[in-house]
Amino acid sequence: EPEVTQTPSHQVTQMGQEVILRCVPISNHLYFYWYRQILGQKVEFLVSFYNNEISEKSEIFDDQFSVERPDGSNFTLKIRSTKLEDSAMYFCASTWVRGAGEQYFGPGTRLTVT
Amino acid sequence: DAKTTQPPSMDCAEGRAANLPCNHSTISGNEYVYWYRQIHSQGPQYIIHGLKNNETNEMASLIITEDRKSSTLILPHATLRDTAVYYCIVRVSQSGGSNYKLTFGKGTLLTVNP
Repeated sequence: EPEVTQTPSHQVTQMGQEVILRCVPISNHLYFYWYRQILGQKVEFLVSFYNNEISEKSEIFDDQFSVERPDGSNFTLKIRSTKLEDSAMYFCASTWVRGAGEQYFGPGTRLTVT
Repeated sequence: DAKTTQPPSMDCAEGRAANLPCNHSTISGNEYVYWYRQIHSQGPQYIIHGLKNNETNEMASLIITEDRKSSTLILPHATLRDTAVYYCIVRVSQSGGSNYKLTFGKGTLLTVNP
């Protein structure tokens, strides 16, 4: 069964450093998302992406964040200068139909900023 | 998206049916009810969704009241591996809208006991 994969599973970085989180969505999916979950809190939407453009972003997704689909398979989230409060689980999701509520999530990357 | 209300926690005996309620009294006519679950720190997993008819798949059944103001997710024979946080999400589906994201609440922590 196809699944969304994410790498690395755990990333430790120092405050102020840049990190890139990688995702490989399901191959025939066209719509991609990033969510995050701070420990003990709700899953929060960050950004949605389609046709090489951001479709929607939350207030969390400020200028320090960017997304890219550099090739036909990868979908990346970059945090330019990490802060302590960026420590969280980051989940990538994908779906095949615009606006579909059935989104398929990856296992997540745990980002720890020290 | 309509707001949902779920109990914070529930227990269920292994092998018995788990019935998870969700209130969504402000649901609009074009909004679907989606259920996801999150097993400890893993990515959310899509379970089922429906508009007004009851739905069943290999994982669960979804019962939506006639007035659509509440719904129940039923896991017919709960196992220890069903211990997770279950999220009820109400939103429009499919194309035509700009609402791409999923908005997660706190959900219900279902604990399946041996």
